[in-house]
Amino acid sequence: QQQVKQSPQSLIVQKGGIPIINCAYENTAFDYFPWYQQFPGKGPALLIAIRPDVSEKKEGRFTISFNKSAKQFSLHIMDSQPGDSATYFCAASPNRDDKIIFGKGTRLHILP
Amino acid sequence: DGGITQSPKYLFRKEGQNVTLSCEQNLNHDAMYWYRQDPGQGLRLIYYSQIVNDFQKGDIAEGYSVSREKKESFPLTVTSAQKNPTAFYLCASSTTGNSYEQYFGPGTRLTVT
Repeated sequence: QQQVKQSPQSLIVQKGGIPIINCAYENTAFDYFPWYQQFPGKGPALLIAIRPDVSEKKEGRFTISFNKSAKQFSLHIMDSQPGDSATYFCAASPNRDDKIIFGKGTRLHILP
Repeated sequence: DGGITQSPKYLFRKEGQNVTLSCEQNLNHDAMYWYRQDPGQGLRLIYYSQIVNDFQKGDIAEGYSVSREKKESFPLTVTSAQKNPTAFYLCASSTTGNSYEQYFGPGTRLTVT
């Protein structure tokens, strides 16, 4: 119930393509869904976050889609670039003061 | 220049020794966290602290200990009881009411042989 399941584990996309990373959860108490981006040898950084009352959120080339009834959410990267190559983590939290649960990560590689 | 510092970046220890990893933040954040990262395992929470002099166990606290005597500092001790201590350790912090927005340090890679 506390897990966030993330897929795929790794993804290779040509430059300009649209990589899609999917996440699913069971706990309906989750109320915040952030995505983090991590470059090799660095700490993760918050990329974008969404709440269940919103079906889609965009920040630049990054878009989160949220399906509350299916308990699924996904990250799309438009016009992907080699500089987007990183590991992406989805996460979930039941409220603003609780710990967050991370998915296992997706290693994305954008080919030049 | 605000942020989180972790030192050292690489740490080598012999099996059976305790080792303490440093984490300092100057963001004035109340909450601090320690995670362990292993390949294919994502980020697993070891300990977290929402206020000075208080901390809670995360999902994998066995073999680890922490202290929170100052707001800025949250050191993690990896004890000899931790069976597989070799990993990448990440410290993070957040403001109260924004735990989903955590700021991470650069990490410490610990190798125990």
